[in-house]
Amino acid sequence: GNSVTQMEGPVTLSEEAFLTINCTYTATGYPSLFWYVQYPGEGLQLLLKATKADDKGSNKGFEATYRKETTSFHLEKGSVQVSDSAVYFCALGGSARQLTFGSGTQLTVLP
Amino acid sequence: DAGVIQSPRHEVTEMGQEVTLRCKPISGHDYLFWYRQTMMRGLELLIYFNNNVPIDDSGMPEDRFSAKMPNASFSTLKIQPSEPRDSAVYFCASSQPGTGKSHEQFFGPGTRLTVL
Repeated sequence: GNSVTQMEGPVTLSEEAFLTINCTYTATGYPSLFWYVQYPGEGLQLLLKATKADDKGSNKGFEATYRKETTSFHLEKGSVQVSDSAVYFCALGGSARQLTFGSGTQLTVLP
Repeated sequence: DAGVIQSPRHEVTEMGQEVTLRCKPISGHDYLFWYRQTMMRGLELLIYFNNNVPIDDSGMPEDRFSAKMPNASFSTLKIQPSEPRDSAVYFCASSQPGTGKSHEQFFGPGTRLTVL
């Protein structure tokens, strides 16, 4: 079945540091890949997505590239801000409409 | 659009009591999902509906949990009787009609349930 493995947290960075959160997946066929973000006290919201190999999703300075050869979708940001502190979830969408989520990675950015 | 609406936002109840969580999906969306989030188990899919029909309830933990969707704009998740281990944040999410890879889900703010 489908599965998503995400980098263990928590991750603590200083403001303006470079961020990478690793995500790898196992799936049959050609899934869509997503990053969701959850700010404290809120529900998850879509951050970015990619629907086919070599696609790059981007939003709010975050990027992730769909790498079929390494079955990965790592999240990156060149310069994090305190306001980026949140929990980040990698997710996979297969042939059915439900999403398979990773375990989430807590990011804390210190001023 | 108001987004996915959940009520109540917080619920505190005593063990053995019935709890009903409510969700109003985004108008026009044809899929509705119920999730549970805890520190220990992360985000778990409990059940999802398509056009008001339950499609997969394999994530419902036990018979104490039940979910209904009587119409396209309303769904409930009921726990009867509640137990302390049911304490969690429960999310409702909806997604719009589409073909292929239209998987984006829109989440509500969640209901934080505490069972004493």
